[in-house]
Amino acid sequence: GDSVTQMEGPVTLSEEAFLTINCTYTATGYPSLFWYVQYPGEGLQLLLKATKADDKGSNKGFEATYRKETTSFHLEKGSVQVSDSAVYFCASDSSYKLIFGSGTRLLVRP
Amino acid sequence: ETGVTQTPRHLVMGMTNKKSLKCEQHLGHNAMYWYKQSAKKPLELMFVYSLEERVENNSVPSRFSPECPNSSHLFLHLHTLQPEDSALYLCASSQERGGGGEGTSYEQYFGPGTRLTVT
Repeated sequence: GDSVTQMEGPVTLSEEAFLTINCTYTATGYPSLFWYVQYPGEGLQLLLKATKADDKGSNKGFEATYRKETTSFHLEKGSVQVSDSAVYFCASDSSYKLIFGSGTRLLVRP
Repeated sequence: ETGVTQTPRHLVMGMTNKKSLKCEQHLGHNAMYWYKQSAKKPLELMFVYSLEERVENNSVPSRFSPECPNSSHLFLHLHTLQPEDSALYLCASSQERGGGGEGTSYEQYFGPGTRLTVT
């Protein structure tokens, strides 16, 4: 069945460091891919998405490129801020539902 | 603000109580979802409603009973819960899938969740 695998956390970075959170997927067909973010005490918010191969999703300085050849959708940001501390979820859509990864906690220290 | 609201935000209940969680979406979507999020566990999809019909029930115990009276509202009725049911319950909505091909996405929009504690 379809699945999403993302790197284990927590990821701890200093402010202004470069961020990469790896995500790979297995799917039949042509899934759309998503990154969601969950801040403490809140629900999940859609951060960015890509609907087909080679698409790049971007939002708030975060980017991810849909790589069909490597079945990956890695999240990157050039310079993280303390306010980016949250849990990040990678997801793919399958049939009528989303398949989520297990989440990666990011902690950014001043 | 995602356009999906949930009430209450926090709920403490005893194992013999009956309570209901409410979700409302203002996005014109016609599919709604209940998820359970427990500490140190992956997000669990509990129920899916598409066009007000239940299309998935992931082996959820009968002490959880969903209701979808219309495309904007979703309820989760709770009774005789166990302490291990304590978790964050998230509601989400999306457009119903109508056979869109490559390049069509059906992102879900989430509410803030109800933090449930069963004592």
